[in-house]
Amino acid sequence: EAGVVQSPRYKIIEKKQPVAFWCNPISGHNTLYWYRQNLGQGPELLIRYENEEAVDDSQLPKDRFSAERLKGVDSTLKIQPAELGDSAVYLCASSLDRGDTEAFFGQGTRLTVV
Amino acid sequence: GNSVTQMEGPVTLSEEAFLTINCTYTATGYPSLFWYVQYPGEGLQLLLKATKADDKGSNKGFEATYRKETTSFHLEKGSVQVSDSAVYFCAHSGGYQKVTFGIGTKLQVIP
Repeated sequence: EAGVVQSPRYKIIEKKQPVAFWCNPISGHNTLYWYRQNLGQGPELLIRYENEEAVDDSQLPKDRFSAERLKGVDSTLKIQPAELGDSAVYLCASSLDRGDTEAFFGQGTRLTVV
Repeated sequence: GNSVTQMEGPVTLSEEAFLTINCTYTATGYPSLFWYVQYPGEGLQLLLKATKADDKGSNKGFEATYRKETTSFHLEKGSVQVSDSAVYFCAHSGGYQKVTFGIGTKLQVIP
């Protein structure tokens, strides 16, 4: 069974440029998460989807970040425009259901803004 | 609010030493508790979990017991190996089923 797939693995962009990350969750997983992990820190939730509905986006900086999960399967996370402080690893995870069940993580996209 | 506090690393141990990584949490209700591990160059993966008070999660020789009275979920292993070198994250699913992570503890095991 394929795991959570993210692309690209690495991205280097100049500040003020846009960038997008893509995530394909494990087949059948209804819940999808986007996390940001800064160097030396734990992952912080940006947004959580139940199917195609964003049920928790309280930590998403909505002035520059946006996300979508059309058809409740794969998802994209966009930053426009990027700032130096956005440099981090962006992790996607999925789970069969919320709460008690295990979340499976992709390998992440390491973003460097220069 | 919901939070997870775990001991800061790095933790350096000799092979076959005893490991404890402390973790305490604050949460509303009765969260599930997790330990995730991130090996060098790999993604996060679940190591073990416990879903209710007094449950013990175990995997690969690691154990952690859900202590509601002390709001703790300390990770232990009796004899670490070089291959256990990784970053370990304590986490819980607190309010609204949001999984909250600690800052991670880097473990380095030397031969």
